[in-house]
Amino acid sequence: IAGITQAPTSQILAAGRRMTLRCTQDMRHNAMYWYRQDLGLGLRLIHYSNTAGTTGKGEVPDGYSVSRANTDDFPLTLASAVPSQTSVYFCASSEFGGTGGEQYFGPGTRLTVT
Amino acid sequence: GQNIDQPTEMTATEGAIVQINCTYQTSGFNGLFWYQQHAGEAPTFLSYNVLDGLEEKGRFSSFLSRSKGYSYLLLKELQMKDSASYLCAGMDSNYQLIWGAGTKLIIKP
Repeated sequence: IAGITQAPTSQILAAGRRMTLRCTQDMRHNAMYWYRQDLGLGLRLIHYSNTAGTTGKGEVPDGYSVSRANTDDFPLTLASAVPSQTSVYFCASSEFGGTGGEQYFGPGTRLTVT
Repeated sequence: GQNIDQPTEMTATEGAIVQINCTYQTSGFNGLFWYQQHAGEAPTFLSYNVLDGLEEKGRFSSFLSRSKGYSYLLLKELQMKDSASYLCAGMDSNYQLIWGAGTKLIIKP
C-alpha cells in the first residue's frame, strides 16, 4: 500500500440499507477527512479527525458517522442510505490537523443510492 | 458566509498560457490551495499560498492577493495532459478547506 486506499471503488445501494465506506492510509498522517463531490458543487467536508480517537463534524454531517480507532483507518458509515447521498466520496489525509498543509486524496468511492 | 468563486469552464490552445482566477471569502484565512483533478480521478495538490505574491513551480505559478481576496493559477506551455479540472480552496480560521466547484480546462491542439 502506498498512500490512501478506499473500498469499494463503486457501489449501488438500495435506499434504507446500511453501508460502510472504508479508508486506509499508510503515511502515518494524524488527520483524516471525508468529502463528498457532486456535479457543479465543490468538495464538501462530511467529517474529519485531527488525531486517532477524535472526530469532528464538517459542513454536511447529517446521515453519516465516522470512527477513528487507530491512525490508519477512518471508515464512513451511512446508517440508512437515501438517494440524496448518491455522490463520489473521497477520503483524504494530512500530516497534521488544525494547521495549514497539503491534503492527500484516495481514489474515491462512487456510490449510487436507488 | 464562506464562498469560493471560479469560472466553470475555460478553453485554451496547446502551447499557450492560461490564467484561472479565483475569488474567495472565508471566515479567517490560513492560505489558498490549488488542486488538479483529472476526470474520474482524485484531486492532487498543485500549490499553496499564504503570503501575497507569486509562487512559481515549473510550468505552474500561483498568485495571491489577500487584500483583494483573489488568487490565480497560471499555466504556461500548455500540454494536452493539462486538460483537467482545477480546484481552488481557501483554508478558514478552523483550518478547514472551503472548495470552489472547479474550473474545467479544455486544451485544444
